[in-house]
Amino acid sequence: QVQLVESGGGVVQPGRSLRLSCAASGFTFSSHPMHWVRQAPGKGLGWVAVVSYDGFNKYYADSVKGRFTISRDNSKNTLYLQVNSLRVEDTAVYFCAREGAVGATRKIDSWGQGTLVTVSS
Amino acid sequence: QSVLTQPPSVSEAPRQRVTISCSGSSSNIGNNAVNWYQQLPGEAPKLLIYYDDLLPSGVSDRFSGSKSGTSASLAISGLQSEDEADYYCSAWDDSLDGLLFGGGTRLTVL
Repeated sequence: QVQLVESGGGVVQPGRSLRLSCAASGFTFSSHPMHWVRQAPGKGLGWVAVVSYDGFNKYYADSVKGRFTISRDNSKNTLYLQVNSLRVEDTAVYFCAREGAVGATRKIDSWGQGTLVTVSS
Repeated sequence: QSVLTQPPSVSEAPRQRVTISCSGSSSNIGNNAVNWYQQLPGEAPKLLIYYDDLLPSGVSDRFSGSKSGTSASLAISGLQSEDEADYYCSAWDDSLDGLLFGGGTRLTVL
């Protein structure tokens, strides 16, 4: 079955960096675009970024553009999110999410359980 | 403030039907597929409806989706207590080159 397991979250001071990872298994990782979606405590879902199946195309939310970098290693079945210049408002659970491989629906059909990033001084 | 607008909350009695609206624009709902997600308390979201009105395997047919122009709706019939959750619409936006989520709607089954 599809498994997405995030890691790398923690408590970090404003301005510092973290690298989040997502280990994927149970499916052909290299066939699917992958997303990061975050959810601040008590708030709704917020899209962060997407990377194409081959890693060449990347899109970002305006709120993270220039600070966050999404990448993937298809040889390791792993998705990454490098988060730099962290702000208090970046505090959230970060979900790794798989987009369906077929069609242009942008449906996210599998989600990890999330990793919590807390930005605090 | 989300570009996709949903009511913050809806409520209805068990066994009744409720609809949740999602309003957007020509650059998102008007030109791209709408997907809906259910998030139960303390859990990750789950795909509920995709491509406007299609049900993923394993999702109850009490859930249905529709779209007209720049608005979409999620309907839930035969409400059950386990349907209490947050519901989110989502669509790609061609102008922003990004994925949008609605602000979410909390469903309470009275």
